Amino acid sequence: AQSVTQPDIHITVSEGASLELRCNYSYGATPYLFWYVQSPGQGLQLLLKYFSGDTLVQGIKGFEAEFKRSQSSFNLRKPSVHWSDAAEYFCAVVTLTGGGNKLTFGTGTQLKVEL
Amino acid sequence: DAGVIQSPRHEVTEMGQEVTLRCKPISGHNSLFWYRQTMMRGLELLIYFNNNVPIDDSGMPEDRFSAKMPNASFSTLKIQPSEPRDSAVYFCASSLAAGGQPQHFGDGTRLSIL
Repeated sequence: AQSVTQPDIHITVSEGASLELRCNYSYGATPYLFWYVQSPGQGLQLLLKYFSGDTLVQGIKGFEAEFKRSQSSFNLRKPSVHWSDAAEYFCAVVTLTGGGNKLTFGTGTQLKVEL
Repeated sequence: DAGVIQSPRHEVTEMGQEVTLRCKPISGHNSLFWYRQTMMRGLELLIYFNNNVPIDDSGMPEDRFSAKMPNASFSTLKIQPSEPRDSAVYFCASSLAAGGQPQHFGDGTRLSIL
């Protein structure tokens, strides 16, 4: 069965520092992968997605992620974090079913930004 | 463009009462998903529909929970009778059913059962 692991529950970085959030997936074929962000009191917002092709994908808000098949990873990065990036981040993999797409989410990583 | 619209945003009710959560998906999307989010269990998929037909309801916790999608632009999640352990944030999401399309989430309904 498909699964996603986010090994870091909490991460704290200083504003202006670089960020990398880890995500490992388990999937038999080429996965469809997503990163979502959730700010307090809000729903999940799509940051970026990987389907195929270029393994480095760009998203909104200056985020990027790199798909590495050999490591079964899809880590999220940002060169310089802003205080407004403090939120919870979820990695997800799609399960293609006969009736649609089902997402399997990781447990999330809570990002705290120190000023 | 209007996103996924959920109502109410907040609901506080007493144990034993019936609760109905509502969702309007993005126009043109043919898959709809109901999730529950709690601190203890994280984000759980309860049920999802494709073309208004329930595909997988294995995440529905008990018979007290039911969901319907009478047409392409409306879905409800009902809890009857409600219990304090049902307190959570409930999210609705929609997507195109085509391979690997992302889900778009509403802002959720924060449900508190007293």
